[in-house]
Amino acid sequence: AQSVTQLDSHVSVSEGTPVLLRCNYSSSYSPSLFWYVQHPNKGLQLLLKYTSAATLVKGINGFEAEFKKSETSFHLTKPSAHMSDAAEYFCVVSPVEDSSYKLIFGSGTRLLVRP
Amino acid sequence: NAGVTQTPKFQVLKTGQSMTLQCAQDMNHNSMYWYRQDPGMGLRLIYYSASEGTTDKGEVPNGYNVSRLNKREFSLRLESAAPSQTSVYFCASSADRGRGTDTQYFGPGTRLTVL
Repeated sequence: AQSVTQLDSHVSVSEGTPVLLRCNYSSSYSPSLFWYVQHPNKGLQLLLKYTSAATLVKGINGFEAEFKKSETSFHLTKPSAHMSDAAEYFCVVSPVEDSSYKLIFGSGTRLLVRP
Repeated sequence: NAGVTQTPKFQVLKTGQSMTLQCAQDMNHNSMYWYRQDPGMGLRLIYYSASEGTTDKGEVPNGYNVSRLNKREFSLRLESAAPSQTSVYFCASSADRGRGTDTQYFGPGTRLTVL
């Protein structure tokens, strides 16, 4: 069965320092992978997605993620955190091999950015 | 262009009451989804509709019914609300017909409390 694990429920960084949000997935085949961001009391917004093209994916607001099949990881990074990055981030897998529509969400990582 | 809209934004029900959550999208998308979000659990799919006239169960369908009224609208009904259905409900849509690779666009959510 497909699954996705976000390794940290909370991450705290200082403004201007790098961000690393970790995600591991389990899938029989190469899935599609997404990162979504949710600001307080808002809906989810797509940051970036991987669909078997380039393994390094660039998203909005300076975020990027690298698909590493050997490590079954899709970690999200940003070189320099901004206060506006404080939000909850979800790693999501779409198990394309079973032709389903179903996205599988991680439990989320809450990012806190300290001034 | 409003994207995905949901009504109401907030609702308080008593156990046993019924209500319908409304969702509409103006992006001419084929697929629509209902999720619930509970603390520490990410989003879980309740029902989805790959196209107008079709609906299918997701991960947690018990206690809910849905109607794909037309291509734009997808409603979620709670026939007899229970405290376990206290949650934040998100509607989403995507252009694809079930490939699972297209971006899902989310509404702002409905915060439901069942007393």
